[in-house]
Amino acid sequence: GQQVMQIPQYQHVQEGEDFTTYCNSSTTLSNIQWYKQRPGGHPVFLIQLVKSGEVKKQKRLTFQFGEAKKNSSLHITATQTTDVGTYFCAGPKAAGNKLTFGGGTRVLVKP
Amino acid sequence: DAGITQSPRYKITETGRQVTLMCHQTWSHSYMFWYRQDLGHGLRLIYYSAAADITDKGEVPDGYVVSRSKTENFPLTLESATRSQTSVYFCASSDRVGDQPQHFGDGTRLSIL
Repeated sequence: GQQVMQIPQYQHVQEGEDFTTYCNSSTTLSNIQWYKQRPGGHPVFLIQLVKSGEVKKQKRLTFQFGEAKKNSSLHITATQTTDVGTYFCAGPKAAGNKLTFGGGTRVLVKP
Repeated sequence: DAGITQSPRYKITETGRQVTLMCHQTWSHSYMFWYRQDLGHGLRLIYYSAAADITDKGEVPDGYVVSRSKTENFPLTLESATRSQTSVYFCASSDRVGDQPQHFGDGTRLSIL
């Protein structure tokens, strides 16, 4: 079946530094979605990418969808303590299919 | 998200007991989902529903039962709870499957002793 892997599982970041987390699917995805879950909270939708090679920005967050639509990345610039949480990517194998979630990258920020 | 509510927020029960987790959404979304979240496994889909009276298995359905008699409600029942079902359970809804964002409830933290 379809598998979605995220690396790294854990990311310790010094406040103010940049980092990138990666999402890789075993199959081509029709779109990729990113969610953020704060500690003790529930996943909250951040963004959806649909086109091959698409790049979208949300303030300090930059999301990219790979050319082959099998991978994606999230880059955070100048990390802040508010960025703490677990970031999940998720995607369906085809339009109309269920989402498969990656295992998440848990981000810890050192002040 | 005030539009999707789960109850109870916390539940402790014993092995062998039946327990039902409730999920209610006010958006009239067609699709509803149940996930469990365990350390090291991310979010795993238990069951989902495309509409009232239409349900289907997800990745980890064994030991769970769902029903959807009304569009807004999607209860999840553990018929005979086991310790391995200790987890955080999230309900979610979306307008369509796969290409629309899912909106999650606050979760139910279930402990089975």
